[in-house]
Amino acid sequence: QKEVEQNSGPLSVPEGAIASLNCTYSDRGSQSFFWYRQYSGKSPELIMSIYSNGDKEDGRFTAQLNKASQYVSLLIRDSQPSDSATYLCAVNDNTDKLIFGTGTRLQVFP
Amino acid sequence: ETGVTQTPRHLVMGMTNKKSLKCEQHLGHNAMYWYKQSAKKPLELMFVYNFKEQTENNSVPSRFSPECPNSSHLFLHLHTLQPEDSALYLCASSLAGGRDEAFFGQGTRLTVV
Repeated sequence: QKEVEQNSGPLSVPEGAIASLNCTYSDRGSQSFFWYRQYSGKSPELIMSIYSNGDKEDGRFTAQLNKASQYVSLLIRDSQPSDSATYLCAVNDNTDKLIFGTGTRLQVFP
Repeated sequence: ETGVTQTPRHLVMGMTNKKSLKCEQHLGHNAMYWYKQSAKKPLELMFVYNFKEQTENNSVPSRFSPECPNSSHLFLHLHTLQPEDSALYLCASSLAGGRDEAFFGQGTRLTVV
């Protein structure tokens, strides 16, 4: 059974701080990695995708991938209260399946 | 207008009813997905269609029946559901399969009474 693990949180950070969200996965053959943000009562929204080892930056978001450690993370710089949401890690293994973690709830307080 | 549109947004149905969920994507994608999201559980993949062919059926009970008439439309036919089937049902699409970025519709909140 392929698994994607995330700490459910909540992760509480003050406004302006860096939020660090982590995800591990079990399938070494995984090739594509995604971070989604889901506000309460809404559907998941894609915020980052990463396919190669290293860092990928997009505005305040940085995704980090380490395939050797089977680890992917998301850093949010200058966190804002509007970033408060559940962040879902998703992993694909080159099949048509996209496996999601349970999500980490982030709370950014003023 | 969002790229992936689901209807209805909310549905209440009895256990003996038959209903259908509809999903339409305007992104030119070739793969479409049904996911189920229950409280405190990860998103569960139900079905995948790639170029109109079903490529994944994740051991879903037969009371859920998918239909994909073309690359832009996906249906989920529901019959004799159970209360535990109450959940948020999400449709998603991607360009050509699971390796590509998937985009979700707004979801259908289903309640089985």
